[in-house]
Amino acid sequence: AQSVTQPDIHITVSEGASLELRCNYSYGATPYLFWYVQSPGQGLQLLLKYFSGDTLVQGIKGFEAEFKRSQSSFNLRKPSVHWSDAAEYFCAVGAREYGNKLVFGAGTILRVKS
Amino acid sequence: NAGVTQTPKFQVLKTGQSMTLQCAQDMNHEYMSWYRQDPGMGLRLIHYSVGAGITDQGEVPNGYNVSRSTTEDFPLRLLSAAPSQTSVYFCASRRQGNSPLHFGNGTRLTVT
Repeated sequence: AQSVTQPDIHITVSEGASLELRCNYSYGATPYLFWYVQSPGQGLQLLLKYFSGDTLVQGIKGFEAEFKRSQSSFNLRKPSVHWSDAAEYFCAVGAREYGNKLVFGAGTILRVKS
Repeated sequence: NAGVTQTPKFQVLKTGQSMTLQCAQDMNHEYMSWYRQDPGMGLRLIHYSVGAGITDQGEVPNGYNVSRSTTEDFPLRLLSAAPSQTSVYFCASRRQGNSPLHFGNGTRLTVT
């Protein structure tokens, strides 16, 4: 069965420090992947997406992610975190072979300390 | 530029009551879906629709009904609410294929 794992439930980083949020997937098909961000009381906003091609993708708000097929990973990175980045982040995976239904990870809550 | 609109934003029900969560989108998206979000479990797919008149079950469909009479609307019905349905519900839509989902702002439902 398809699954998405975000190993870190909570992460705390200092403002200005670099950030990496992990996402691992298990899929029996060629996946496409997304990262979403959710601020408190809000819906999910798309940060970036990977379908094919260049495995390093750039998103909004200075985020990037790298798709590594050999490691079944799609980790999200940001070189310098701002206090406004505090939110919950979700990795999501889909595949045409599974009807393009997205499967979400459990989320990682990011706290930023000043 | 409304996007995906969900109503109500908050709702409290007693066990056994029924209600409908409304969802409307103005982007002419063929695909619409309902998710529930629970702490530590991410978002789980309840029901989805690939077009008007077509619906299908997701990962956690029990206790919920849907219909899709128009492209714009995709209501979610709870026929007899249970405390286990206390959750935050999100409606999302997209074009067909592998396009990203667009989310509403959610409905926070409490069943006592």
